[in-house]
Amino acid sequence: AQSVTQLGSHVSVSEGALVLLRCNYSSSVPPYLFWYVQYPNQGLQLLLKYTTGATLVKGINGFEAEFKKSETSFHLTKPSAHMSDAAEYFCAVSLGGADGLTFGKGTHLIIQP
Amino acid sequence: EAGVTQFPSHSVIEKGQTVTLRCDPISGHDNLYWYRRVMGKEIKFLLHFVKESKQDESGMPNNRFLAERTGGTYSTLKVQPAELEDSGVYFCASSSRDRAHEQYFGPGTRLTVT
Repeated sequence: AQSVTQLGSHVSVSEGALVLLRCNYSSSVPPYLFWYVQYPNQGLQLLLKYTTGATLVKGINGFEAEFKKSETSFHLTKPSAHMSDAAEYFCAVSLGGADGLTFGKGTHLIIQP
Repeated sequence: EAGVTQFPSHSVIEKGQTVTLRCDPISGHDNLYWYRRVMGKEIKFLLHFVKESKQDESGMPNNRFLAERTGGTYSTLKVQPAELEDSGVYFCASSSRDRAHEQYFGPGTRLTVT
């Protein structure tokens, strides 16, 4: 069985500051890892994913995440927060292929002007 | 290319009634998934279709939920009879056979059972 833990249901940062959203996972096999974002009144949008290969993955809107196997982590970062980044972010894991996703509880990112 | 669409966007029904949710996946996507988010909890996997066949329905809560995907195109999720604990947001997602791990989500249907 897999599980995902997102630390902090709400994270507040100032505009222009570093964004760091934490995600730890457990999986019995090498996982596929994902970050999704949900803007208000919209569906989930894939930000980035790790399947195999390079452990630092870049996504849309300037976000990136690093897969650290030894720490079972896949934290999401962005060097400089923008007001438009305010949304709910979900970390997810799967066994790969067409398997269903296991999600964390989500983190609301709040951007202070 | 149209994304995943879901209908209705909102539904309010009374306990004991029946509701049917519909999902239209991205055209050509063989894989179709249903997920649910109950308020305050994580998004949970319900089931997975490959074309018209149920590949994995391990997440279906009970036999009040029935999912179909006749003809391998759109899917419906029926809840009969609805209970209060069925309230939440129901998401549908789809992915192609070649990039099966990349799931594209619809906007969700918010179901409220009163």
